[in-house]
Amino acid sequence: DAKTTQPTSMDCAEGRAANLPCNHSTISGNEYVYWYRQIHSQGPQYIIHGLKNNETNEMASLIITEDRKSSTLILPHATLRDTAVYYCIVRPPTGTASKLTFGTGTRLQVTL
Amino acid sequence: GAVVSQHPSRVICKSGTSVKIECRSLDFQATTMFWYRQFPKQSLMLMATSNEGSKATYEQGVEKDKFLINHASLTLSTLTVTSAHPEDSSFYICSAQRGGGHYEQYFGPGTRLTVT
Repeated sequence: DAKTTQPTSMDCAEGRAANLPCNHSTISGNEYVYWYRQIHSQGPQYIIHGLKNNETNEMASLIITEDRKSSTLILPHATLRDTAVYYCIVRPPTGTASKLTFGTGTRLQVTL
Repeated sequence: GAVVSQHPSRVICKSGTSVKIECRSLDFQATTMFWYRQFPKQSLMLMATSNEGSKATYEQGVEKDKFLINHASLTLSTLTVTSAHPEDSSFYICSAQRGGGHYEQYFGPGTRLTVT
């Protein structure tokens, strides 16, 4: 699976947009970009995923560059409850290789 | 959304005993379930992949005789840590994946195992 690189930690003021970058320069053409987050001592929570086009749901937006070598997860109005470790994962679409490989993620701290 | 539960949420056991952890998909059928382990301040590490009705596939370095996995139905997988030792103390997390073209994994809340 393609590897991802994320900053170790980021801070964001409550109410502001949190932009979390991810580099995946070795991504293959059929691999998806997935984002999960893990709040302390809980199981990971699915946020969003995409292949080529930008995606938006009730939680976040995912912006994927045209060359697909990087992406940005945007939390439009961060709250204290968004404090968590955010994982960017590149994943093949089907089969047994669809397992998720978690990297170290970005620890997002939302502050007042 | 899809809900996955784990039981127990916390367990303390003595060294040498066995512990069983259950993972259930509550509102969907999971053709595949995954078991992860997470040590403090580390990321999740996949232990094994479990398909309903067949033997689990273990990741390299994970002892299949120590971590017994049973996926007897489309809504239940169990992980049994046999002859537990203090170094097995960890946060164990399962996830469930639907079939039929849906590949999102939905995670359980995790089980904190402490071996004394």
